[in-house]
Amino acid sequence: QKEVEQDPGPLSVPEGAIVSLNCTYSNSAFQYFMWYRQYSRKGPELLMYTYSSGNKEDGRFTAQVDKSSKYISLFIRDSQPSDSATYLCAMSDDGNKLVFGAGTILRVKS
Amino acid sequence: NAGVTQTPKFQVLKTGQSMTLQCAQDMNHNSMYWYRQDPGMGLRLIYYSASEGTTDKGEVPNGYNVSRLNKREFSLRLESAAPSQTSVYFCASSGLHTGGVEQYFGPGTRLTVT
Repeated sequence: QKEVEQDPGPLSVPEGAIVSLNCTYSNSAFQYFMWYRQYSRKGPELLMYTYSSGNKEDGRFTAQVDKSSKYISLFIRDSQPSDSATYLCAMSDDGNKLVFGAGTILRVKS
Repeated sequence: NAGVTQTPKFQVLKTGQSMTLQCAQDMNHNSMYWYRQDPGMGLRLIYYSASEGTTDKGEVPNGYNVSRLNKREFSLRLESAAPSQTSVYFCASSGLHTGGVEQYFGPGTRLTVT
């Protein structure tokens, strides 16, 4: 069993939809939770970062962490075609070495 | 400010050949990382270097060696390439302020081993 599980998709939604992306994990020592976005043939870039449990909002993006359920989510409101990318969750216990999920491919249709 | 640069962008090797992937960053970051990305597997850490002069194994180090040449440069060497090493390789770096949480990635090297 992988430490971090993420549905690979692809997830296809119409423009303006609310998107929900999720990851589950098994290592209860994880304290740092991140979402990276990767456009085709590019390197990943950090989108959101949360320490421990709770919610964090940044514009159209909201990250949620539920440590009791070992479950994290990323919500994208008013999705745009420019949001089409692969979204990778990543986690860490020490804040240095990251464990990534497999990534979810998101396609937003105009 | 180029960020993280990687060379080459593409490479085709025959089984048993060796090569070195180069990575450099101009952000004065202490930590540098090498990952491989395979379909359905996400990014997996090969090696990382917390500071100049130190290196440590990640999740999948077998078949690879690394050198932290100086603070800017971190190279990955395949001594005897195997088809299982066909992958996209990413180098990343991170600064002291955010630790390893915010990593800046290069554009990747697409390697095919035949």
